[in-house]
Amino acid sequence: DTAVSQTPKYLVTQMGNDKSIKCEQNLGHDTMYWYKQDSKKFLKIMFSYNNKELIINETVPNRFSPKSPDKAHLNLHINSLELGDSAVYFCASSPLGGRRGYTFGSGTRLTVV
Amino acid sequence: KQEVTQIPAALSVPEGENLVLNCSFTDSAIYNLQWFRQDPGKGLTSLLLIQSSQREQTSGRLNASLDKSSGRSTLYIAASQPGDSATYLCANHQTGANNLFFGTGTRLTVIP
Repeated sequence: DTAVSQTPKYLVTQMGNDKSIKCEQNLGHDTMYWYKQDSKKFLKIMFSYNNKELIINETVPNRFSPKSPDKAHLNLHINSLELGDSAVYFCASSPLGGRRGYTFGSGTRLTVV
Repeated sequence: KQEVTQIPAALSVPEGENLVLNCSFTDSAIYNLQWFRQDPGKGLTSLLLIQSSQREQTSGRLNASLDKSSGRSTLYIAASQPGDSATYLCANHQTGANNLFFGTGTRLTVIP
């Protein structure tokens, strides 16, 4: 029974395409996040949602748009994909805004060709 | 801005050795610090979570300590096994922030 699940696990697409990554958590957490892991394996926050409300929007191109239809879901839509968007994207969730630890999904490896 | 550093970047040890991984951070105003394990091509598995009021946490062969005032945490692995080979990441939740700040990771290889 997966706690934080992301789909798809792998995504290979051409430059200029639009794609979405979905995330769902069944932990009852109130905050969800998107992190990006670059080629050097460094993880950095992209977005944070608390009870469907955007809390953090780091310096990310506006081609990236998160959407939270409800507390248990946070999707990431990417328009006009570029080569530099290739990375692993992780979804995470936490209770109490992160003060009781975070749970991560297994990641989505995006490759733009 | 919070900066988290992990030393060493890579570590190779023979099976059975005890080892220590280090994590340092620049801003001591944190709620908690969390250690994760990441296997190649996989997600992050939470190992230990230390709240700011705690000094250490233990789980099996793992022991994590936290010294907030000096901005340091260590992860101690006892009697290392080949299955411990992975990248270990520390991350902290800074007070007033709403996300985790990650370190650069330590890639551990345990040689049979």
